[in-house]
Amino acid sequence: AQSVTQLDSQVPVFEEAPVELRCNYSSSVSVYLFWYVQYPNQGLQLLLKYLSGSTLVKGINGFEAEFNKSQTSFHLRKPSVHISDTAEYFCAAPLAGGTSYGKLTFGQGTILTVHP
Amino acid sequence: EAGVTQFPSHSVIEKGQTVTLRCDPISGHDNLYWYRRVMGKEIKFLLHFVKESKQDESGMPNNRFLAERTGGTYSTLKVQPAELEDSGVYFCASSPAGQPRRQYFGPGTRLTVT
Repeated sequence: AQSVTQLDSQVPVFEEAPVELRCNYSSSVSVYLFWYVQYPNQGLQLLLKYLSGSTLVKGINGFEAEFNKSQTSFHLRKPSVHISDTAEYFCAAPLAGGTSYGKLTFGQGTILTVHP
Repeated sequence: EAGVTQFPSHSVIEKGQTVTLRCDPISGHDNLYWYRRVMGKEIKFLLHFVKESKQDESGMPNNRFLAERTGGTYSTLKVQPAELEDSGVYFCASSPAGQPRRQYFGPGTRLTVT
């Protein structure tokens, strides 16, 4: 079973509309959750992370995510998107156990395309 | 502060040839990771160095892949001989000591094996 699942491979949206990118995790991961973004021809950039504490996490560029333990979800949201948000987004978490605490497992990625 | 750098940005080689990818982590970062994304698949962990030691290499696909981190600074990932299925984007990440989950990623090397 996939440890981190992103439910949508592609999400098209119009500029200034709200967007939600969905992510679910399994019990095989430690509950430290991350969203990364990859803009065209660039590396992965950390958007936000949940380590503990408040379940609503705010990140860069107006994005936020909510950790929901009962739903095992960590969905990413933005109330109003811009053309510049067009990118691929990845949800990630470290695998539980093992010798490497930094061993991240990633979802399949969601391509967000913002149309004018 | 310079970020994680990777070289080359793109490499095209023929099946059976050898390729060496290089990663320069952020200065002072003890942890260095290699990941790979094969076309259409998710990003997958390859291995993790702590300084010059391999902490976890459970994600290395087979013995055609050899990673080194001499002196605990930059790292190389050699593929010898390359196969078609090795094509993909190879990412490197680094993190400070004691913060394995705070990883900074490089831009990746796109490897195409023809």
